[in-house]
Amino acid sequence: EPEVTQTPSHQVTQMGQEVILRCVPISNHLYFYWYRQILGQKVEFLVSFYNNEISEKSEIFDDQFSVERPDGSNFTLKIRSTKLEDSAMYFCASGRGDQETQYFGPGTRLLVL
Amino acid sequence: DAKTTQPTSMDCAEGRAANLPCNHSTISGNEYVYWYRQIHSQGPQYIIHGLKNNETNEMASLIITEDRKSSTLILPHATLRDTAVYYCIARDNYGQNFVFGPGTRLSVLP
Repeated sequence: EPEVTQTPSHQVTQMGQEVILRCVPISNHLYFYWYRQILGQKVEFLVSFYNNEISEKSEIFDDQFSVERPDGSNFTLKIRSTKLEDSAMYFCASGRGDQETQYFGPGTRLLVL
Repeated sequence: DAKTTQPTSMDCAEGRAANLPCNHSTISGNEYVYWYRQIHSQGPQYIIHGLKNNETNEMASLIITEDRKSSTLILPHATLRDTAVYYCIARDNYGQNFVFGPGTRLSVLP
């Protein structure tokens, strides 16, 4: 059964550093998403991406964040200058259509020191 | 904000059916009810979804009341591996992102 995969599983970085989180969505899916979950809190939507552009983003997704689909398989989330409060689990998800079920990856645990 | 309310936690004996309720009295006619679960800190796992009719798949059954104000997710024979946080989410045909609430923490007890 196809799955969404994410790398790395864990990332530790210093405050102010740039990080890139990578995701490989399910191959025939066209819609891609990033969510995050701060420890002990709810899963929160960050951004959705379709046809090589952002289709929706939340208030959390400020200028520090960017997303890209650099090739036919990867979908990346970049945080330019990490802050302590960016420490969280980051989940990638993909779906066949915008009204379709979203399938989530295992997540990347980001720790900013 | 989430349009659904769920109990904070529930216990279920291993091998018994787990019935997880969800209230969604304000959802509109075109909003689907989705269920996901999150085991420990893993990614949310899709379970099932429905609009009006009851649905069943290999994981669970979803019973939606006729007035669509509430629904129940049924895990017919709960195992220890079903211990997780279960999320009931309402999403319309035009929405893209899922709005997660705090969910129900289900503990399956031996």
